[in-house]
Amino acid sequence: QSVLTQPPSVSGAPGQRVTISCTGSSSNIGAGYDVHWYQQLPGTAPKLLIYRNNNRPSGVPDRFSGSRSATSASLAITGLQAEDEADYYCQSSEVFGGGTKLTVL
Amino acid sequence: QVQLVQSGAEVKKPGSSVKVSCKASGDTFTNYAINWVRQAPGEGLEWMGGIVPVFGTTNYAQKFQGRVTITADESTSTAYMELSSLRSEDTAVYYCARTGRQLVLVGFFDYWGQGTLVTVSS
Repeated sequence: QSVLTQPPSVSGAPGQRVTISCTGSSSNIGAGYDVHWYQQLPGTAPKLLIYRNNNRPSGVPDRFSGSRSATSASLAITGLQAEDEADYYCQSSEVFGGGTKLTVL
Repeated sequence: QVQLVQSGAEVKKPGSSVKVSCKASGDTFTNYAINWVRQAPGEGLEWMGGIVPVFGTTNYAQKFQGRVTITADESTSTAYMELSSLRSEDTAVYYCARTGRQLVLVGFFDYWGQGTLVTVSS
């Protein structure tokens, strides 16, 4: 059982908006640690998607955005595309969420 | 452009050890921590530990304390992860990943190696 809790799966049709939640505790997100997000396409290494809660590395489309509150965080993807189908992981301090599989219908 | 290139796949017997390497290029090696993250088949990501090469400081996840050793060779810009007393549950892809902020052990991981599959089987 992961320290950060994510929904196992989410889905959406092309063009729609989806969100993925990441719930932590007073030991990680609640303690002030930043939240980071990664995208993992099948058979590849994770790729940094969002760092320090709401920052995008160069090259990541602005369709991806992050937010954080007291003990939780969210990743939002707008204008869903087929290529977004992947596993998504949140991270805070040294702990990861269990991952969320995004299916584009 | 930063690149992390890992050593090839390994097949090991239960009870043995494995040592995986991660060679960095394209940026200053010593100031950025290298961490190791593993992923069992069909499972999520699990942080194992990391090292800040310039200080030689390491930190390990409690789960792996006593079984994992992470080292770095500044002369070759290579980090290593050695895991001992292997069991079948250690079968996984092992990734090295660079912390994106200088001199900090754990933070966001901006560059990742391609992964090394370690299979533990009798």
